[in-house]
Amino acid sequence: DQQVKQNSPSLSVQEGRISILNCDYTNSMFDYFLWYKKYPAEGPTFLISISSIKDKNEDGRFTVFLNKSAKHLSLHIVPSQPGDSAVYFCAASVTGNQFYFGTGTSLTVIP
Amino acid sequence: DAGVTQSPTHLIKTRGQQVTLRCSPKSGHDTVSWYQQALGQGPHFIFQYYEEEERQRGNFPDRFSGHQFPNYSSELNVNALLLGDSALYLCASSLGRFGGLGYTFGSGTRLTVV
Repeated sequence: DQQVKQNSPSLSVQEGRISILNCDYTNSMFDYFLWYKKYPAEGPTFLISISSIKDKNEDGRFTVFLNKSAKHLSLHIVPSQPGDSAVYFCAASVTGNQFYFGTGTSLTVIP
Repeated sequence: DAGVTQSPTHLIKTRGQQVTLRCSPKSGHDTVSWYQQALGQGPHFIFQYYEEEERQRGNFPDRFSGHQFPNYSSELNVNALLLGDSALYLCASSLGRFGGLGYTFGSGTRLTVV
């Protein structure tokens, strides 16, 4: 059972434009959400997080939005840069328990 | 400041064999979690070790076992390897059991079972 889904396996965006990566989840008990970025031959690296008491969290060019009623999470990258090209995973947990990951979205930023 | 170190980086084993993967956590971290990432999938939680004990376990058979040492390093053991065990095995360390925000991942061990 895939509790966290990323329905877009890939996304291409022009440099300087906005990248929007989406994530849906099924478990309404999830209260903590993360986005990770992964380059080839490296482990995932933490990007940004949000707890269920918020609906938005911003860190520089990265903003995560949480819509609890829709069980939907999105990551906005503005402006997109070629170095942002990587696979992005969203992950969710009930605080204190294991994280469930989506299958990832491969982002390509075209110079 | 070294991050999470995993060894070996790549490994090829024959079906039915046993394998041991190793992880050294980031300095200052005391909790180690193991994840399996099959091709085209996101990481799946195997188990978590804290204070040398398995604290949480995902939906993996008993063929998967682990250990944590007093220096917080950890091993993942897989017995009776199946072709389906071929995957990238990721180790993540954190401070405390609920340190999800502070997870640091290693680069992984790529296991191929033939």
